Amino acid sequence: DGGITQSPKYLFRKEGQNVTLSCEQNLNHDAMYWYRQDPGQGLRLIYYSQIVNDFQKGDIAEGYSVSREKKESFPLTVTSAQKNPTAFYLCASSIDLGQRSNQPQHFGDGTRLSIL
Amino acid sequence: KQEVTQIPAALSVPEGENLVLNCSFTDSAIYNLQWFRQDPGKGLTSLLLIQSSQREQTSGRLNASLDKSSGRSTLYIAASQPGDSATYLCAVFPDNYGQNFVFGPGTRLSVLP
Repeated sequence: DGGITQSPKYLFRKEGQNVTLSCEQNLNHDAMYWYRQDPGQGLRLIYYSQIVNDFQKGDIAEGYSVSREKKESFPLTVTSAQKNPTAFYLCASSIDLGQRSNQPQHFGDGTRLSIL
Repeated sequence: KQEVTQIPAALSVPEGENLVLNCSFTDSAIYNLQWFRQDPGKGLTSLLLIQSSQREQTSGRLNASLDKSSGRSTLYIAASQPGDSATYLCAVFPDNYGQNFVFGPGTRLSVLP
């Protein structure tokens, strides 16, 4: 079945450490997104990518980095500069960035990141 | 700046009741609106997508309506079941190329057997 796979499901970060969250999709979607979800808040956009080798900052990009070397993969690195990284991270994809196709976004099952 | 709110934040109903979840947005210039379901510790599952030119969409026991001019959408769930218990989020896509979905905080629904 086509879908989005996020790994790991749970991740723990030590002080000063960078960690990388994996996101892989086999839906042949061009656009991919990373969101952060905190309790009681809506999803906030960290980074998004319209096409391979291109990505843009979202609303809360500070302390995060991404790459898009393959269409299927959009890993997110949480760097030591992110001082409050504890959250639920969701990866999503869609056929196109502008949603002009009126096709829905598809989401992975998330990675929960905590501080040790 | 587009803002999305959802009221109530939480709702408990007995099984079998019909219920309505509300979503409000501040800027009526939207391209589409999407309703999602989120189970605890899971990602979002798309339920319904309403294009700006549409007034409603239906899928099974779910019916979503859209009133762009008043900045409102409702999700109607008929004959609720315990399996409907989840958090329901709405998201709007602004009608300005390059922008991305703006999500509401969600309504946490509990359907009691």
